[in-house]
Amino acid sequence: QVQLVQSGAEVKKPGTSVKVSCKASGYIFNNYGISWVRQAPGQGLEWMGGISAYTANTKYAQKLQGRVTVTTDTSTSTAYMELRSLRSDDTAIYFCAREARGYCDYWGQGTLVTVSS
Amino acid sequence: QSVLTQPPSVSGAPGQRVTISCTGSSSNIGAGYDVHWYQQLPGTAPKLLIYGNTNRPSGVPDRFSGSKSGASASLAITGLQAGDEADYYCQSNDNSLNVVFGGGTKVTVL
Repeated sequence: QVQLVQSGAEVKKPGTSVKVSCKASGYIFNNYGISWVRQAPGQGLEWMGGISAYTANTKYAQKLQGRVTVTTDTSTSTAYMELRSLRSDDTAIYFCAREARGYCDYWGQGTLVTVSS
Repeated sequence: QSVLTQPPSVSGAPGQRVTISCTGSSSNIGAGYDVHWYQQLPGTAPKLLIYGNTNRPSGVPDRFSGSKSGASASLAITGLQAGDEADYYCQSNDNSLNVVFGGGTKVTVL
């Protein structure tokens, strides 16, 4: 069965960086993309960016351009999302999701990132 | 604010039918991109509910249905149940092939 397992919760100070991992299993990793979506406390879903595991082509939300990088390691079927220059409003649950034909059909369990001094 | 517009909340009695609208523009839904819907139960990750405007993944009851017309789409829930209380999000793509979400709609079963 398809599974996306994310790394654990993080607490970071403003101005630092965080890197969240997402290990995929149960499918051919290179055949799908991975999107990253975040959800601030009590708020809706915000798409951050995505990557094609096959081509490594990336796309990012304009709002986060320059602060976010999405990568994959095809040897371990793992995707990564790094967010830099963290601010308090980056506090959120971060989800990875398998992307197929424009939609996200399987989601990770989420990783809580708290930014606090 | 979100690119796609949804009502913040809808409610209905058990057994009733509710609908959630999702309004976009000529840059996303109106440009011909498909609409997809997700259900997010409290404290859990979103779950794909409808893909490609009208299709249900395996395991999703046929009480849930989707439609699309022009730059808008709708999700209908018939035979409303207590377990349907959740947040629902629509999603499409834009001309840059980026993912765009609606702001979410909270469904309350009275």
